[in-house]
Amino acid sequence: EAQVTQNPRYLITVTGKKLTVTCSQNMNHEYMSWYRQDPGLGLRQIYYSMNVEVTDKGDVPEGYKVSRKEKRNFPLILESPSPNQTSLYFCASSLRRPRQSSYNEQFFGPGTRLTVL
Amino acid sequence: EDKVVQSPLSLVVHEGDTVTLNCSYEVTNFRSLLWYKQEKKAPTFLFMLTSSGIEKKSGRLSSILDKKELFSILNITATQTGDSAVYLCAVTIGGRDDMRFGAGTRLTVKP
Repeated sequence: EAQVTQNPRYLITVTGKKLTVTCSQNMNHEYMSWYRQDPGLGLRQIYYSMNVEVTDKGDVPEGYKVSRKEKRNFPLILESPSPNQTSLYFCASSLRRPRQSSYNEQFFGPGTRLTVL
Repeated sequence: EDKVVQSPLSLVVHEGDTVTLNCSYEVTNFRSLLWYKQEKKAPTFLFMLTSSGIEKKSGRLSSILDKKELFSILNITATQTGDSAVYLCAVTIGGRDDMRFGAGTRLTVKP
């Protein structure tokens, strides 16, 4: 089944304890992205990746890191989480990059609800 | 600064009503506008619009884009309780790979 998977789905942690949220897609998609969703603010893009080893900052990259060593995986790393990073996080992927004329929709993972105490 | 603004932020209707959701944008070099539906979990794709005046339709849902006035509407006719969700719009921008989402419209359909 074609899908985007994220792990963990729920996480409660404490300030300063490094964590990684994994994201994997099995559709051979070129473009992958991380978003956070907060009440009243919609989806805000954290980082995106156009292909292996190519990443760029989105709207709210502060406090996050990403890597794209393989096409299928795009982990989100919080080196020193803080309470203001408590949020619902979504990973998404699409076959093509948004700038391309053949761009189509993104497919979203199920979300990771993170609480930082 | 690029902006995507959705209105209303929330809406409560009764089954059978018709609703119109709005998405306006101010971006440099607009490329496309996408609508997503988000129930309790991940957003799912509804429509992508690139040309003005061409209606996209899927069942009771339809959407149209006005590139002159910089907005899109999403219409839902004969609403059902299953239409209750947050509806998100997003914009892609020419020459760039980031995406801009609006804050969403929360639609509640009461029986």
